[in-house]
Amino acid sequence: GAGVSQSPSNKVTEKGKDVELRCDPISGHTALYWYRQSLGQGLEFLIYFQGNSAPDKSGLPSDRFSAERTGGSVSTLTIQRTQQEDSAVYLCAGSTAANYGYTFGSGTRLTVV
Amino acid sequence: GESVGLHLPTLSVQEGDNSIINCAYSNSASDYFIWYKQESGKGPQFIIDIRSNMDKRQGQRVTVLLNKTVKHLSLQIAATQPGDSAVYFCAETGGSNYKLTFGKGTLLTVNP
Repeated sequence: GAGVSQSPSNKVTEKGKDVELRCDPISGHTALYWYRQSLGQGLEFLIYFQGNSAPDKSGLPSDRFSAERTGGSVSTLTIQRTQQEDSAVYLCAGSTAANYGYTFGSGTRLTVV
Repeated sequence: GESVGLHLPTLSVQEGDNSIINCAYSNSASDYFIWYKQESGKGPQFIIDIRSNMDKRQGQRVTVLLNKTVKHLSLQIAATQPGDSAVYFCAETGGSNYKLTFGKGTLLTVNP
């Protein structure tokens, strides 16, 4: 597609439920990143994919968070047993190779009630 | 730990004025810096970048200055317009060759 597509754009979920956030990057963007943005805060790195592999998962806050990427394209970030502190905007970005030229999606705003 | 931070969380300017947004970084291994603009409800958008072998880089109405001695980065916006109202983030490589570390952001408000 023309840009990075994230879905859903907004998600309200009850505490304890699992959620899946989807990112569809620009074709050819082999590097894919997930960041989290809490209210009034900067972007917090979560995970980096190169192709389907995740050489850096160091930003995932707990074992409730996981992510996968298939076909070198779509990525899914899964949060199990959501907690209120998981409420944030989850941003996906892609780039060709790993050259910092990120193109971001518009994010998924997750609210845990 | 090492991080990227900002001096001013908010900045309010009059339309037509010049704006300066500042950023301090602490990782001396950073060799590449980027400024992003984030409008409400959107993802960050690239504005301008600069490598550590440069002190200044100019774009259209924007200039980035890098002072490696004091580890300081600034974004200058000339003739600020209402459409410039957004949150501005600086980002650095932090010694990584694949990921960026972002600062907290500065909210720029342009008054007509």
